[in-house]
Amino acid sequence: EPEVTQTPSHQVTQMGQEVILRCVPISNHLYFYWYRQILGQKVEFLVSFYNNEISEKSEIFDDQFSVERPDGSNFTLKIRSTKLEDSAMYFCASSEIRGPNTEAFFGQGTRLTVV
Amino acid sequence: DAKTTQPTSMDCAEGRAANLPCNHSTISGNEYVYWYRQIHSQGPQYIIHGLKNNETNEMASLIITEDRKSSTLILPHATLRDTAVYYCIVRVAKNRDDKIIFGKGTRLHILP
Repeated sequence: EPEVTQTPSHQVTQMGQEVILRCVPISNHLYFYWYRQILGQKVEFLVSFYNNEISEKSEIFDDQFSVERPDGSNFTLKIRSTKLEDSAMYFCASSEIRGPNTEAFFGQGTRLTVV
Repeated sequence: DAKTTQPTSMDCAEGRAANLPCNHSTISGNEYVYWYRQIHSQGPQYIIHGLKNNETNEMASLIITEDRKSSTLILPHATLRDTAVYYCIVRVAKNRDDKIIFGKGTRLHILP
């Protein structure tokens, strides 16, 4: 069964460093998302992406965040200068088409720890 | 998007049907009801969705009331592996906004 793949599963980084979280969406999917979940809190929307541009972003997704689809298979989230409060699980998701009648599938996440 | 209300937690005996309720009294005609679950700290897993008709798949059944103001997710024969947080979400795509908004969900404990 096709699945969304995320790497690495766990990343530890020093405060102020840049990190890139990688995702391989399901191959025929066209819409991509990043979410995050701080320990013990809700899953929060960060950004959606379609046709090589951001469709929507939340207030969390400030200038230190960026997303990119560098090739036909990868979808990345870059955090330019990490802060302690960026420590969280980051989930990538993809859906085949846009709209409320199509499910989004999530990866298993990357646990980011900023020290 | 319409707000949903779910119980904070529920217990269910292994092998029995787990019935998870959700209220969405402000749902509008073009909003779908979705259910996802999250096992421990894994990624959210899609379960099922529907608009107004009842739906069934290999994982669960979704029963939506005729007025669409509430729904019930049914796991017909719960196993220990079904212990998870279950999220009821109403979703509409308007303009470029089709994100999924997660609430706090229901923590379902399957008891041996």
